[in-house]
Amino acid sequence: QVQLQESGPGLVKASQTLSLTCTVSGGSISSGDYYWTWIRQHPGKGLEYIGHIYYSGTTYYNPSLKSRVSISGDTSKNQFSLKLSSVTAADTAMYYCARAQRGGLDVWGQGTTVTVSS
Amino acid sequence: DIQMTQSPSSLSASVGDRVTITCRASQSISTYLNWYQQKPGKAPKLLIYAASSLQRGFPSRFSGSGSGTDFTLTISTLQPEDFATYYCQQSYSIFWTFGQGTKLEIK
Repeated sequence: QVQLQESGPGLVKASQTLSLTCTVSGGSISSGDYYWTWIRQHPGKGLEYIGHIYYSGTTYYNPSLKSRVSISGDTSKNQFSLKLSSVTAADTAMYYCARAQRGGLDVWGQGTTVTVSS
Repeated sequence: DIQMTQSPSSLSASVGDRVTITCRASQSISTYLNWYQQKPGKAPKLLIYAASSLQRGFPSRFSGSGSGTDFTLTISTLQPEDFATYYCQQSYSIFWTFGQGTKLEIK
């Protein structure tokens, strides 16, 4: 079965770039009709869609984050990555990667906490 | 953006109760509506997809209905393990959005 695992620094300094990687096992990011997605959740808050990379390589980003977000895929490593630039304390959150279809986000990573320090 | 509004934001109920959570979209989304269950410290889990299809692994006491702008999640007979936060999410537009969540607590 498909499994996802986030990795990356848990602490990022303000104004720097947050970089996270999601490693996919049990399936390929380049096959199938899937969106490989990043979601975040601020402490005690709801879920926020960050963006996705389609299996074809097309990306889409949350308009509110679009100027700072980049999602890329590495098919050789079966990974996809998130970069969020110019971070502030407002970017402190749990970050999840997930596999998605029109029928929902059906496989999630366990999440990784990122704290932005000043 | 398509706005998703859930009600109530929190709900206290007892084991054995029947519970209904509603989700309203700011425009028609057909049946591109999904529900998630999230327990503390855990990633959300897909519970219902396409408004009414139950994801494998969840019991049949969970059901979803609706189309267009109004949707409901019903738990027919609450069990202790059902106390969690539930989110709706639309996948109609390319920019997927979530409801704010409904926290289901034990009365």
